[in-house]
Amino acid sequence: EAGVVQSPRYKIIEKKQPVAFWCNPISGHNTLYWYLQNLGQGPELLIRYENEEAVDDSQLPKDRFSAERLKGVDSTLKIQPAELGDSAVYLCASSFTGAPHEQFFGPGTRLTVL
Amino acid sequence: AQSVAQPEDQVNVAEGNPLTVKCTYSVSGNPYLFWYVQYPNRGLQFLLKYITGDNLVKGSYGFEAEFNKSQTSFHLKKPSALVSDSALYFCAVRGYNTDKLIFGTGTRLQVFP
Repeated sequence: EAGVVQSPRYKIIEKKQPVAFWCNPISGHNTLYWYLQNLGQGPELLIRYENEEAVDDSQLPKDRFSAERLKGVDSTLKIQPAELGDSAVYLCASSFTGAPHEQFFGPGTRLTVL
Repeated sequence: AQSVAQPEDQVNVAEGNPLTVKCTYSVSGNPYLFWYVQYPNRGLQFLLKYITGDNLVKGSYGFEAEFNKSQTSFHLKKPSALVSDSALYFCAVRGYNTDKLIFGTGTRLQVFP
């Protein structure tokens, strides 16, 4: 079974530039998550989708971050414009719906903003 | 509010010795508890979870964890450590009536030959 796929794996951009990350969840998982992981920290939720609906985006900085999950499968997370403090690893995860179900994580995208 | 504490930034253990990585939690109601492992430049990999039932949960790669409700703890254990177990370990908790998974800050496990 294929795992969660993310691309690109690494991205280096200059501040004020836009950047986008893509995620393809595990087939059949209708819940998709985007997390931010700073160095030496645990992941922090940015947004959670149930199918194509964003059901928890309270931690997403909406002035510069946006996300979409068209057709309830793939998802894209965008930052525009990027700031130096956005340098981090962006993780995508997916799961079946419901609290007991574990989340499966992709390899992440390491973003460096110069 | 939900929270997770991993009191040790790093745990060092000799290969072949038992290991314990500590985790305590705070949540309203019954918790769902998870352990994940992260190898360098990789995403988090699920190890095991506690939902209900037996307090001793067995997971991947010989790991197990013991749920202790009175001490609000969910410590990760392995009877005999391997050098290949060296990685970053995260404990996470999710409340019964919430959908948000809260992660600890992680504990780096170093197993020496």
